[in-house]
Amino acid sequence: QKEVEQNSGPLSVPEGAIASLNCTYSDRGSQSFFWYRQYSGKSPELIMSIYSNGDKEDGRFTAQLNKASQYVSLLIRDSQPSDSATYLCAVNRGGGSYIPTFGRGTSLIVHP
Amino acid sequence: KAGVTQTPRYLIKTRGQQVTLSCSPISGHRSVSWYQQTPGQGLQFLFEYFSETQRNKGNFPGRFSGRQFSNSRSEMNVSTLELGDSALYLCASSTRLAEGSEQFFGPGTRLTVL
Repeated sequence: QKEVEQNSGPLSVPEGAIASLNCTYSDRGSQSFFWYRQYSGKSPELIMSIYSNGDKEDGRFTAQLNKASQYVSLLIRDSQPSDSATYLCAVNRGGGSYIPTFGRGTSLIVHP
Repeated sequence: KAGVTQTPRYLIKTRGQQVTLSCSPISGHRSVSWYQQTPGQGLQFLFEYFSETQRNKGNFPGRFSGRQFSNSRSEMNVSTLELGDSALYLCASSTRLAEGSEQFFGPGTRLTVL
């Protein structure tokens, strides 16, 4: 079982819709969770970090964390074509580790 | 505050050569991590430096090495280049104040090995 799993996609949504990106992780003791956006040919850009169960909102983005079920999700409201990118989930398992493990990413396509 | 910078942005080398990549972290960040990204393998961790010491290491051969200077700038060296080393090399900086410290990536160096 991979440590951090994401559906590779592509996930295709119409402009204005809600895009839902999911990530599951295997280490139950994981403490820190991050979402990055990566445009084609560019480097990853940190969108959000979340550390506690529940929702965290930042503009059109909402991260949801459920440690009991070992998943973290990213919702993008009012999706725009400019949101088309690969979204990487990263998980830090804690326990003295300072290096997160990255998933392979989900490709999101927002079509007009 | 200026972001993470990496030089050069593009490199073309031939097999057997060596290459050195440079990374300057965000001001005040003392941790620099290096990653290799390829379409086939995704983002793979190479190593992390903090206070001029390698703190973590990924599963890469010894041809990949790095160092960090007293101003937190870091260099990564790859010797005896192979075709499979063609990739986007990313560095990320962090304060490393806690286990959950965020990492911020530089623009990357695109290495092509011919």
